[in-house]
Amino acid sequence: DGGITQSPKYLFRKEGQNVTLSCEQNLNHDAMYWYRQDPGQGLRLIYYSQIVNDFQKGDIAEGYSVSREKKESFPLTVTSAQKNPTAFYLCASGDRNNQPQHFGDGTRLSIL
Amino acid sequence: EDKVVQSPLSLVVHEGDTVTLNCSYEVTNFRSLLWYKQEKKAPTFLFMLTSSGIEKKSGRLSSILDKKELSSILNITATQTGDSAIYLCAAGGGYGNNRLAFGKGNQVVVIP
Repeated sequence: DGGITQSPKYLFRKEGQNVTLSCEQNLNHDAMYWYRQDPGQGLRLIYYSQIVNDFQKGDIAEGYSVSREKKESFPLTVTSAQKNPTAFYLCASGDRNNQPQHFGDGTRLSIL
Repeated sequence: EDKVVQSPLSLVVHEGDTVTLNCSYEVTNFRSLLWYKQEKKAPTFLFMLTSSGIEKKSGRLSSILDKKELSSILNITATQTGDSAIYLCAAGGGYGNNRLAFGKGNQVVVIP
């Protein structure tokens, strides 16, 4: 089945630790996106990539990093510089031609 | 900065009621407005609207875009408990990068 797979579903981070959230898609989409969702805040864009080996900062990129080495994969690293990482993280993908984005099931990140 | 505002932020209705959700947007180079439904995990796509005044329907849900007023509404008729969810409005614009700006969501609770 075509879709977007995020892992893990739940993740705990210790102080000073970097953690990486996985996002894989088999929809053959060019563009991929990472959003953060906090209660009552809607979705805020962290990073996005329109093509392999290229990505741009979204509205809240500080404390996060990404890579896009393969079309199917767009991992997000939450670094120790992100002081308030507890949130629900959603990955999405889409065609570049004004088509709807499709979402994964999300990763819930908490602080230990 | 692109902006999307949804109202009301939350509401509680009884089964069988009709719900109207509002979304207004200010987006540079507007291209499309999208509605998603989010229950527990991944937002699922409902509608994408690009032309003003043309209603899109799917079962008991319908949506329409008013480009003059920079707004959209999502209607749900004969509500059921399964309609309980957060409804997200997003507006796409920019310069071919397919970025979406999301509102905070309309949380709908349908009680039997």
